[in-house]
Amino acid sequence: KAGVTQTPRYLIKTRGQQVTLSCSPISGHRSVSWYQQTPGQGLQFLFEYFSETQRNKGNFPGRFSGRQFSNSRSEMNVSTLELGDSALYLCASSSGGWGAMTYEQYFGPGTRLTVT
Amino acid sequence: AQKITQTQPGMFVQEKEAVTLDCTYDTSDQSYGLFWYKQPSSGEMIFLIYQGSYDEQNATEGRYSLNFQKARKSANLVISASQLGDSAMYFCAMEDDSSASKIIFGSGTRLSIRP
Repeated sequence: KAGVTQTPRYLIKTRGQQVTLSCSPISGHRSVSWYQQTPGQGLQFLFEYFSETQRNKGNFPGRFSGRQFSNSRSEMNVSTLELGDSALYLCASSSGGWGAMTYEQYFGPGTRLTVT
Repeated sequence: AQKITQTQPGMFVQEKEAVTLDCTYDTSDQSYGLFWYKQPSSGEMIFLIYQGSYDEQNATEGRYSLNFQKARKSANLVISASQLGDSAMYFCAMEDDSSASKIIFGSGTRLSIRP
């Protein structure tokens, strides 16, 4: 069974630009969560999508948005990039259904975004 | 508010020795779950072990065990017979009480195994 894939793995953008990151979950999984990892703030939850609907949202500004497609693939978008958006962005997939345990999430390798 | 605290930013351990990574937590919930992830330099988070607050025994998974002391609100990870491949960041985490899909992470401990 293929794992969670994230593309691209590395990205360099300029302040003010926008960026789109992609996450393909494990086959059959309907939930995709996104996390931002920075040296200063650690790992922080961005949002979760389940069956094409945003089910949970973290405490991030509106510049951070996401969506999920009918095949469960998810994208997150960051508009008007700031230097502080430089981070490793991780996505995690799970079945997301009733009874699914929180720790039964499988993480991808992440996309490392550098904003200059 | 829930919080996970890891007070060891980095640790060095000799190969084949046991190592304990500290984790304390704060929650007002009676029912909760705690777990540990390993993050190698490649970036992906690898789930290691889970402990439920009502589990009577400490969780074990191979060389990993969780020293759960509920009254002290601590959930330390013990790695027995450390190996070079254990060098990585380790994160203690718990379920968010407002969302079953949201994970709250500690700040992590960087473990380095010396040959």
